[in-house]
Amino acid sequence: EAQVTQNPRYLITVTGKKLTVTCSQNMNHEYMSWYRQDPGLGLRQIYYSMNVEVTDKGDVPEGYKVSRKEKRNFPLILESPSPNQTSLYFCASSLRTQNYEQYFGPGTRLTVT
Amino acid sequence: TQLLEQSPQFLSIQEGENLTVYCNSSSVFSSLQWYRQEPGEGPVLLVTVVTGGEVKKLKRLTFQFGDARKDSSLHITAAQPGDTGLYLCAGRYAGGTSYGKLTFGQGTILTVHP
Repeated sequence: EAQVTQNPRYLITVTGKKLTVTCSQNMNHEYMSWYRQDPGLGLRQIYYSMNVEVTDKGDVPEGYKVSRKEKRNFPLILESPSPNQTSLYFCASSLRTQNYEQYFGPGTRLTVT
Repeated sequence: TQLLEQSPQFLSIQEGENLTVYCNSSSVFSSLQWYRQEPGEGPVLLVTVVTGGEVKKLKRLTFQFGDARKDSSLHITAAQPGDTGLYLCAGRYAGGTSYGKLTFGQGTILTVHP
């Protein structure tokens, strides 16, 4: 089954404790992206990757890191999480040749206390 | 940061009514997409529009792309409770070099009452 998977689905952590949210897709998509969703703000793009070893900032990259060492994986790293990073996070992937139509993962709900 | 204004933010209607959701920007899009999201799930693509003036239909949903490619609308005819959800527009802006940058509107929460 074609899908985007994210782990963990739920995470409660404390300020300053480094964490990684994994994202994997099995559709051989070149493009992958991370978003955060907050009430009233829609989805905001954090980082995106056009292909392996190619990443770029979205609209809200501060406090986040990404890497794209393999085509299928695009982990999101929070080196020192803060409470304002409490949010619902989505990973997505797409083919660049199809207008970047996004296939989304199921989401990761992160709470930073 | 380019802004994509989506309206209304909330819409509560009775089954059988029609409704329209709008998505506007001052910048030109190279393409625009509409997604629907249900609670606890990721957004799911409904449609992509690319050409100015383009109209696409998906059963009772009609999507229109403005002639100047700066705005779009989603019209639902005879809404049903199953249409309830969060509707999001998302655009890739023309020009510049950030080809992979996607901007989402704030979303419209639609509730259709039986």
